[in-house]
Amino acid sequence: DTGVSQNPRHKITKRGQNVTFRCDPISEHNRLYWYRQTLGQGPEFLTYFQNEAQLEKSRLLSDRFSAERPKGSFSTLEIQRTEQGDSAMYLCASRSRQGRSGYTFGSGTRLTVV
Amino acid sequence: SQQGEEDPQALSIQEGENATMNCSYKTSINNLQWYRQNSGRGLVHLILIRSNEREKHSGRLRVTLDTSKKSSSLLITASRAADTASYFCATGALLQGAQKLVFGQGTRLTINP
Repeated sequence: DTGVSQNPRHKITKRGQNVTFRCDPISEHNRLYWYRQTLGQGPEFLTYFQNEAQLEKSRLLSDRFSAERPKGSFSTLEIQRTEQGDSAMYLCASRSRQGRSGYTFGSGTRLTVV
Repeated sequence: SQQGEEDPQALSIQEGENATMNCSYKTSINNLQWYRQNSGRGLVHLILIRSNEREKHSGRLRVTLDTSKKSSSLLITASRAADTASYFCATGALLQGAQKLVFGQGTRLTINP
């Protein structure tokens, strides 16, 4: 286990379809974060899990977005009824409870809604 | 909305020169972190400086933090072509007892061979 894994790397979907992304954090990390990044911008916080509990959701996360982290291991981010404005890079990061360093990010899932 | 603002938005220098990027933020922080992102990839953590620290070094990187001015700088010395990337500062704030990172818009650095 050398890092945070995200799948798929790329996803092209038609407007109105549902998509689901998966994030596998570093196994001993109990904290997991989802960020969204659009072209030329910095990542924006979406939601945060501590173990299996979802402790905060950003206002950016509309009702069409839902995230889960069953058993405090991997996490999924689902977008229902996708819109063109959902096109972005979706980044997952994890951090240990005793982390005194930065977050470890995955390579992201690039979503294109056509 | 993003808290940090990087300056400049883009920087182009010759290989071997030093590159300096600045970051300003608005609220109180526990720490400030710098990340690098190559095009189309995830972010890589470079360095973390705590709010009670003023300067930190890591290899060719030097970070300063001035909490009175709510600003930080990242200096990359003796730049290399491989340093070409976007650099983001991120401020750490407490969220439900854990940290939440808020990113700036980044500085796009180009190192010309």
